[in-house]
Order: sequence, then C-alpha cells, then structure tokens
Amino acid sequence: DAGVIQSPRHEVTEMGQEVTLRCKPISGHDYLFWYRQTMMRGLELLIYFNNNVPIDDSGMPEDRFSAKMPNASFSTLKIQPSEPRDSAVYFCASSSISGANVLTFGAGSRLTVL
Amino acid sequence: GQNIDQPTEMTATEGAIVQINCTYQTSGFNGLFWYQQHAGEAPTFLSYNVLDGLEEKGRFSSFLSRSKGYSYLLLKELQMKDSASYLCAVRDWGAGNNRKLIWGLGTSLGVNP
Repeated sequence: DAGVIQSPRHEVTEMGQEVTLRCKPISGHDYLFWYRQTMMRGLELLIYFNNNVPIDDSGMPEDRFSAKMPNASFSTLKIQPSEPRDSAVYFCASSSISGANVLTFGAGSRLTVL
Repeated sequence: GQNIDQPTEMTATEGAIVQINCTYQTSGFNGLFWYQQHAGEAPTFLSYNVLDGLEEKGRFSSFLSRSKGYSYLLLKELQMKDSASYLCAVRDWGAGNNRKLIWGLGTSLGVNP
C-alpha cells in the first residue's frame, strides 16, 4: 500500500484565495482525520469521518473551513477565503477500527498564506 | 478539562538512555499513544498502552500508570537518528463513541555524538 497520500505538498497563496487540500486514505481504513499542526498549538484535530460520514467537526475553526468525503478513497479540506493565520501544516490520517485505531499520517500539506 | 504535559526539550548523548515523561488529565481514558516525528515529516506510531505496565519494543519501551495519569517513553542505546519530536496522545473516550486523540505539544529530543 502507498500509505496515505496528500496533495499538494506545498501551497503558497494570497489572503482571500481558496485553498483545497486533498487526501487519499489507506484502502480499507474506515476512519479519516484532518489535523492542523503549528508550533504554538501542536496537532489539532479539525474533523474526522467514519465510513465517509463526518462524526466530529468541533475542531473546525470557523465557517471558512469545510471538509468532504464523497467516497471511501478521497477527502478534501477547503479553506475559503484563506487568511495568514491559516498558515500551518495540514495532515490527513487514516485508521482502522481494528488494531487500536493507530493513525497512519500522510506526508502533510504545508500551507503558507501571504 | 483535558490536558497533556510533556517537557519541551531534552538532550542526550549517543548510546545513552533517555526517559520522556507524559502526564495527562482527561475526562475519560482509552489508551495512550507515543508517536515520533522527525523535522519536516509526518508523525509515525511508536507504541500503545491501554493497561498499566511496561510495553517493550526493541530499543523503545513505554510505561503507563492510569491511576497516576502518567506515562513515559524510554529510549535505549540512543542513535543520532533518534533526534526527533516525541508526541504523547491520549484517546479520551468521553461521551459516546468518540475516537478523538488529545495530543501533547511534543518533546524535542536532540542526540549529541
């Protein structure tokens, strides 16, 4: 398996632009998580899905953030409009209900909003 | 409230042993994880404890005391490649079937030759 695949790896955009981050989880994993990591706040859970259904989105900062999982092999995290304070590394992770729900992370998408 | 504390930074010498502590306060508990994260990379799973005691996996061991809200990660025979951030995370079952992890900010370990 290729692991969790995220794109883009790096994104530099200007304030006000729309940003879309993409994730392909490991095949067979039924949980998908979106995290944001900054030096100040560490890893923050934004939202997670179980069998493509959003279960907890309480970590989504505000209405500018939205996430979808149209099928078991694809998810997107969208920021519209983006702001400089959104600059961070965004990780997607997936897990299976078996095996203690250990998370496998993607390589991350480093977002810089100017 | 929910809180996880771990030291911000530690340094050690190649070949030595280092212990990274983690204390936690959560409303529920259903397992504690340790992840390793090299600079610029994603976190990778190291260990999982759900019962009290020591779990050993090669050079790495992890200990848990649920009554004390305490865990440590023990790294033996340190190698330069062990220089990384070590993240402690607790699965807080909370109300209902919630699979959230509460994360510490990580301990940055530097290994010197």
